[in-house]
Amino acid sequence: GIQVEQSPPDLILQEGANSTLRCNFSDSVNNLQWFHQNPWGQLINLFYIPSGTKQNGRLSATTVATERYSLLYISSSQTTDSGVYFCAVSILTGGGNKLTFGTGTQLKVEL
Amino acid sequence: DVKVTQSSRYLVKRTGEKVFLECVQDMDHENMFWYRQDPGLGLRLIYFSYDVKMKEKGDIPEGYSVSREKKERFSLILESASTNQTSMYLCASSSNSNTGELFFGEGSRLTVL
Repeated sequence: GIQVEQSPPDLILQEGANSTLRCNFSDSVNNLQWFHQNPWGQLINLFYIPSGTKQNGRLSATTVATERYSLLYISSSQTTDSGVYFCAVSILTGGGNKLTFGTGTQLKVEL
Repeated sequence: DVKVTQSSRYLVKRTGEKVFLECVQDMDHENMFWYRQDPGLGLRLIYFSYDVKMKEKGDIPEGYSVSREKKERFSLILESASTNQTSMYLCASSSNSNTGELFFGEGSRLTVL
């Protein structure tokens, strides 16, 4: 099946810092989403971004489908950004829209 | 906004008990999913359903069954709970397209003693 790798696995930032999270995937995809899992366990949709660039406030994401990676940018980080960030993809053939998840990036933002 | 509601945030059950985890979505989505999440293993798909009364096995279906009698409701059933089923269970739904965006419920943390 498709492989999804995220880096870094762990990240500690000072409040106000910027960061880039990366997601590499092993096959062509028709669906790519970024999620934030808050400390209570809920997965919150950040972006649906199989290709191109999107921005939402301090967050933005870029997917380069031909090179099989996606980047999530967090600017001016806040303590509320802490949690785990997941990238998930589904493949073009045979996968329907069953997403395969990466193992996540654990982010901690400190004062 | 899409809302996916899971019936219980926290459950504690004993080995051998039958456990029902309920999930309801309010966006008329065709597809519904059950995942479990464990430290170091990430999210793994247990079962999914793309229509009423339809179900398909995911990556780890052993020890689980599901029921989808109505479009908005997808139930996960542990016929005889075991300690290795202690986990966080996450329900999700999406519309019926290959590019359907997935929306999750708040999760149900199950402990089997």
